[in-house]
Amino acid sequence: AQSVAQPEDQVNVAEGNPLTVKCTYSVSGNPYLFWYVQYPNRGLQFLLKYITGDNLVKGSYGFEAEFNKSQTSFHLKKPSALVSDSALYFCADARAAGNKLTFGGGTRVLVKP
Amino acid sequence: KAGVTQTPRYLIKTRGQQVTLSCSPISGHRSVSWYQQTPGQGLQFLFEYFSETQRNKGNFPGRFSGRQFSNSRSEMNVSTLELGDSALYLCASSLEQGRSYEQYFGPGTRLTVT
Repeated sequence: AQSVAQPEDQVNVAEGNPLTVKCTYSVSGNPYLFWYVQYPNRGLQFLLKYITGDNLVKGSYGFEAEFNKSQTSFHLKKPSALVSDSALYFCADARAAGNKLTFGGGTRVLVKP
Repeated sequence: KAGVTQTPRYLIKTRGQQVTLSCSPISGHRSVSWYQQTPGQGLQFLFEYFSETQRNKGNFPGRFSGRQFSNSRSEMNVSTLELGDSALYLCASSLEQGRSYEQYFGPGTRLTVT
């Protein structure tokens, strides 16, 4: 069973509006959850992580994510989207042994001016 | 600090050939992982090296192999290339081995097999 899932292939949002990218995780074990962003022809950039502690995690570039145990979700949010936020976003889980990251399928975000 | 570097950035090979990709981690990082990214399969874990030892391996055939050197630099090798090996190969480094450590990715090597 997939340990993380991103239910939306694409999210469209107008610049200045709130942006939410959804991620759900499977309940077995304690999740170690990450968000990464990939710009065209680039590698992945780390945005934020949840290991333990506060459910609201703040990360780079104004992004934040909320760990919700009851809904098994870890949605990525930004209060006011920028055109430059247009990219491919990946949720990942590090519950497997070692440093292995298991990625969701990715969500393409398009922010329109 | 310089980021993760990967060479070459682009590579075109013919079926049946072999290829070696190189990765230099961030200075001080001791763990290096490799991932394959394709449109159909998404991002898949290949293997991880720490202290010159393979610590973890994904579900790939034995044609995919790797190694890590004493300076933490890593190489991966794919022998007897197949068309399906065409992908973006990403290397990632982290400070230590462990689930709580974030990984930092290089720009990738785009491999095209014809």
